[in-house]
Amino acid sequence: KQEVTQIPAALSVPEGENLVLNCSFTDSAIYNLQWFRQDPGKGLTSLLLIQSSQREQTSGRLNASLDKSSGRSTLYIAASQPGDSATYLCAVTFGNEKLTFGTGTRLTIIP
Amino acid sequence: EAGVVQSPRYKIIEKKQPVAFWCNPISGHNTLYWYLQNLGQGPELLIRYENEEAVDDSQLPKDRFSAERLKGVDSTLKIQPAELGDSAVYLCASSARGDGYTFGSGTRLTVV
Repeated sequence: KQEVTQIPAALSVPEGENLVLNCSFTDSAIYNLQWFRQDPGKGLTSLLLIQSSQREQTSGRLNASLDKSSGRSTLYIAASQPGDSATYLCAVTFGNEKLTFGTGTRLTIIP
Repeated sequence: EAGVVQSPRYKIIEKKQPVAFWCNPISGHNTLYWYLQNLGQGPELLIRYENEEAVDDSQLPKDRFSAERLKGVDSTLKIQPAELGDSAVYLCASSARGDGYTFGSGTRLTVV
């Protein structure tokens, strides 16, 4: 069964710190991996998309890495800000073109 | 570009009543998805369309849920009759092959 797991379920860090969110998946035959942000009561905002042939993508203070062989991806957030507080979701498109989400990591940045 | 547009934003109905959600995907995106998201959970796929064809509806509860995508553009998702357990956020997304997914703001359904 193709599964996506995100640990921890919740994380609190002081403002200004760098942090890493983790995502693991059970099938290395993936098409791409996408990180989303979701604010309470809102839809999903795409942060970064990594194709299966890529190893990382960067956007501003965000950097996402992909290691297919180990079935892992990380989202690195530099110099965290209170506005970064949200739930971060990892989603994997497996080879059968099915997009599967993790349950997310709820991030709280403490001012 | 308007993005993926969904309506209504919120809907409250009594159980056993019908309800419908509408989605307008990004222009040129052939693939359209309907997802269901329960509180504290990740979205789960209900149905995927390639143009007007439903290519994956294995997770759609067909006894009460139906969907259509006429002309391969807009889509509607219907529940009839609604049950208390259907209370959730219904998300629509679209994509073009090789690109990522773009989600709408979702419809929050409350069944009372």
